[in-house]
Amino acid sequence: GAGVSQSPRYKVAKRGQDVALRCDPISGHVSLFWYQQALGQGPEFLTYFQNEAQLDKSGLPSDRFFAERPEGSVSTLKIQRTQQEDSAVYLCASTDQSGTDTQYFGPGTRLTVL
Amino acid sequence: AQSVTQPDIHITVSEGASLELRCNYSYGATPYLFWYVQSPGQGLQLLLKYFSGDTLVQGIKGFEAEFKRSQSSFNLRKPSVHWSDAAEYFCAVASTSGTYKYIFGTGTRLKVLA
Repeated sequence: GAGVSQSPRYKVAKRGQDVALRCDPISGHVSLFWYQQALGQGPEFLTYFQNEAQLDKSGLPSDRFFAERPEGSVSTLKIQRTQQEDSAVYLCASTDQSGTDTQYFGPGTRLTVL
Repeated sequence: AQSVTQPDIHITVSEGASLELRCNYSYGATPYLFWYVQSPGQGLQLLLKYFSGDTLVQGIKGFEAEFKRSQSSFNLRKPSVHWSDAAEYFCAVASTSGTYKYIFGTGTRLKVLA
């Protein structure tokens, strides 16, 4: 594909529900990042993959958040037992190298927890 | 700890006027710096980046930024603003150790008056 895609674009969940957010990075990109952007804030790092290996998950706010990239391409961010404070835009980014190359961002998934 | 400060939350300029958006960073080594733009409902689009070399970098859409090590700044400029430039602008610094995650500022929302 031409860019990073994310689905769904919008998700409304009731508090306590589990959600799964998908990221399709640019084909061939090695590195994949997830960020959380709360309303009126800049994106904040959640987790990082190099191929299928999750090398950094220091930004995940709680053990309710889980991410995977089993085949080194598509990634899924899962949030269990959603809370209202999880409401945010979740952005995915990918780069074609494992390094400080430019990150290309997807359009994000806006999650609203009622 | 690495950090990015964007002192101006909102800026309003008239169409055709010049623009400068401020960004200050805190980082121990030579930083990798970025400016991204985010339009409503859209992902982050890269405007320009600085890795090394010439401290004045040119970007897309007529934007430029100047890296000033002595001031720990990377301000974004445009000589003549267009109505379509109205958006939110984010400055980011890339960690150059380990994860290469981005650390973003809180953003500056630009309003353009016709």
